[in-house]
Amino acid sequence: QKEVEQNSGPLSVPEGAIASLNCTYSDRGSQSFFWYRQYSGKSPELIMSIYSNGDKEDGRFTAQLNKASQYVSLLIRDSQPSDSATYLCAVAYTGGFKTIFGAGTRLFVKA
Amino acid sequence: ETGVTQTPRHLVMGMTNKKSLKCEQHLGHNAMYWYKQSAKKPLELMFVYSLEERVENNSVPSRFSPECPNSSHLFLHLHTLQPEDSALYLCASSPEGSGAGLRDGYTFGSGTRLTVV
Repeated sequence: QKEVEQNSGPLSVPEGAIASLNCTYSDRGSQSFFWYRQYSGKSPELIMSIYSNGDKEDGRFTAQLNKASQYVSLLIRDSQPSDSATYLCAVAYTGGFKTIFGAGTRLFVKA
Repeated sequence: ETGVTQTPRHLVMGMTNKKSLKCEQHLGHNAMYWYKQSAKKPLELMFVYSLEERVENNSVPSRFSPECPNSSHLFLHLHTLQPEDSALYLCASSPEGSGAGLRDGYTFGSGTRLTVV
């Protein structure tokens, strides 16, 4: 049974701080890793993807992948109230279409 | 129209009704998906179509019936639903086809909020 685990939160950080969101996955056959942001009442929006060990930066967002530890994280620098949302970690497996989602972490950024 | 469009946005139906959800993608993608999102639960994959062929069916009850007439359109036909089927139903698309593996992630539609009464 492939699983993706996230702390449900809520994670509360002050404006301007770094928010750190974490995710672990169970299957070493995992190929691609994604972070989606979902605002309340809206659909998920892809914000980061990562395939190789290490860090990948895009603006204020940094995704980190450690395949040996089966761990992926998302750092949000200079957090803004507009970053308040649920962040979904998703893991895709080699050679197929199945993507497993975590239940999401709710982030609150306090002004 | 751009992206992935879902209609209707909201649907209330009785347990004896038949209705259909529609999804259309304008991205030239090869794969389309139906997901169910219930409160405080991970997204549940229901169906996957790649190049109009169903490639994944996640043990979904037969009261849900998908249809993919072409690579741009996806339907989910609903009949004799139960109250526990009330959820947000999300359509998504991705560029990949033919088992190439998922590299680019999904583009989701805005979803249909379904309430079964």
